[in-house]
Amino acid sequence: KQEVTQIPAALSVPEGENLVLNCSFTDSAIYNLQWFRQDPGKGLTSLLLIQSSQREQTSGRLNASLDKSSGRSTLYIAASQPGDSATYLCVVLMDSSYKLIFGSGTRLLVRP
Amino acid sequence: GEEVAQTPKHLVRGEGQKAKLYCAPIKGHSYVFWYQQVLKNEFKFLISFQNENVFDETGMPKERFSAKCLPNSPCSLEIQATKLEDSAVYFCASSQSFTEAFFGQGTRLTVV
Repeated sequence: KQEVTQIPAALSVPEGENLVLNCSFTDSAIYNLQWFRQDPGKGLTSLLLIQSSQREQTSGRLNASLDKSSGRSTLYIAASQPGDSATYLCVVLMDSSYKLIFGSGTRLLVRP
Repeated sequence: GEEVAQTPKHLVRGEGQKAKLYCAPIKGHSYVFWYQQVLKNEFKFLISFQNENVFDETGMPKERFSAKCLPNSPCSLEIQATKLEDSAVYFCASSQSFTEAFFGQGTRLTVV
């Protein structure tokens, strides 16, 4: 059974810091991995999608990497801003069952 | 449309009443997923569709939950005889085959 774990569970940093969010998964038979952000009481906004054959994706200040063989992904946020405060979710799409499996989330607070 | 549209945003039902939630996937997307978010970031898979066909229903409490995706109509998730424990945010997502999943804003169901 696939388990997706995110570390840390919560993070508080001052504005301007670069930071790394970690995601690990136990079953490497994934089709892709997506990073989402969720603001309180809101839906999920897709940030980056990495296909299983890819190593990384970049969008603006965000960079996500994927090491499928070791079951790890990282989300790097450069020059963090208060507007980055949200919960970040790592979600894998299983190859066999075509089911999205969610990580436990990292709650990020960027202090002005 | 270019976004997943979920209605209503909020729904309040007395225990034992019926609740019906709707989801209009992005045009051209053939897969639809329903998830239940309870307690912080715990996302529970309910059911998925490939067009109007059930793809995977392993997460559905079948005695009270049912779902449909009919041609030219929004998909629906219906809960008969709601219970207090059904209170949650229900998210719908759509995707083309094995690509990026897009989520709606969710429907918050409160059972009183």
